[in-house]
Amino acid sequence: EPEVTQTPSHQVTQMGQEVILRCVPISNHLYFYWYRQILGQKVEFLVSFYNNEISEKSEIFDDQFSVERPDGSNFTLKIRSTKLEDSAMYFCASNPRQTYNEQFFGPGTRLTVL
Amino acid sequence: GDSVTQMEGPVTLSEEAFLTINCTYTATGYPSLFWYVQYPGEGLQLLLKATKADDKGSNKGFEATYRKETTSFHLEKGSVQVSDSAVYFCALSDRGSGGYQKVTFGTGTKLQVIP
Repeated sequence: EPEVTQTPSHQVTQMGQEVILRCVPISNHLYFYWYRQILGQKVEFLVSFYNNEISEKSEIFDDQFSVERPDGSNFTLKIRSTKLEDSAMYFCASNPRQTYNEQFFGPGTRLTVL
Repeated sequence: GDSVTQMEGPVTLSEEAFLTINCTYTATGYPSLFWYVQYPGEGLQLLLKATKADDKGSNKGFEATYRKETTSFHLEKGSVQVSDSAVYFCALSDRGSGGYQKVTFGTGTKLQVIP
């Protein structure tokens, strides 16, 4: 069964450094999402992406964040200058069309900012 | 905006006990409802879903019924096992302000089952 994959599974970085989290959505899916889960808290929506554009973003998704689909398979989340409070689990998700109600989640990348 | 409220944890049960985790929601549209499970150190797994009123989602002995009149989607299992120990998230999927599907999660309920 096709699944969303994410790399790396765990990323450790120093405060102020840039990080790029990578996701490979399911191959025929067109809509892509990032979510964040700070340890012990709920999963929060960050951004949705379609047709090489951001379609919606939350208040969390400020100028430090950016997303990109650099090729036909990868979907990336970049944090330009990491802060301690960016430490969280980041989940990528995808679905095949706008009206499809279920999103398929990847296993997550745990980001630790020191 | 949309929101999901679920009961505070942790919930500690003995093996073979009956489980209920309450979940209620508010939504501007007509959402689909989900339960996700997160085992320690792992990602989110879809447990079950329901897309319209009175639908019952079920999987691995868990079930939940979409109750539009009470805006609820309570999770139940008749006999829990130690292996069910995990965090359970109630969630809804609805159109966001941009017209695209967005998932809103509850805070999660940690379940611990003791032998």
